[in-house]
Amino acid sequence: SQQGEEDPQALSIQEGENATMNCSYKTSINNLQWYRQNSGRGLVHLILIRSNEREKHSGRLRVTLDTSKKSSSLLITASRAADTASYFCATAHSGGYQKVTFGIGTKLQVIP
Amino acid sequence: ETGVTQTPRHLVMGMTNKKSLKCEQHLGHNAMYWYKQSAKKPLELMFVYNFKEQTENNSVPSRFSPECPNSSHLFLHLHTLQPEDSALYLCASSQDRPIRGTEAFFGQGTRLTVV
Repeated sequence: SQQGEEDPQALSIQEGENATMNCSYKTSINNLQWYRQNSGRGLVHLILIRSNEREKHSGRLRVTLDTSKKSSSLLITASRAADTASYFCATAHSGGYQKVTFGIGTKLQVIP
Repeated sequence: ETGVTQTPRHLVMGMTNKKSLKCEQHLGHNAMYWYKQSAKKPLELMFVYNFKEQTENNSVPSRFSPECPNSSHLFLHLHTLQPEDSALYLCASSQDRPIRGTEAFFGQGTRLTVV
């Protein structure tokens, strides 16, 4: 069954604005990862946050994790046209072996 | 360049054809994966190999047959596919199991069209 579910499914913003994407999941996780995918290409790993962490930063990216609400958010600050892509959250399930489950993704468009 | 290479990048095949997708990684990773990505659907995990052994088959139809001859190479053999099998097929690898918090490195994918 689908684990991570991103919200919104599509987001369009002006260059320079911040973009926030959310991910909700259903069962306990060991860690949560965010990936980026340019149109028709492979996914690129952005950031990983473990279940005992609440916030993590990487450059212009900020990820938060709220295990009580089973949700995570990805914030991209000062967006650029090159940030246009689809963003996916992926969850590694607690108690599982090695299955990572992806959501449908958020399609972000940054308008120059 | 992620270190994971998939060939071919595009493939068009008839429903009676037999073809194979190839994935190669030189990252020294122990786990390799096949995913299927269809429009407006979540990425679907198909197969997982860990140290060349298949550890997961996610209820994939038998017309898809994986092969992992060594820890650097992964194949997906295709035969008698259906038009609904048209999708982007992504290969990935990771050092260890995702449960341990290792990131996956993805190839660029093979865009498959079944006619």
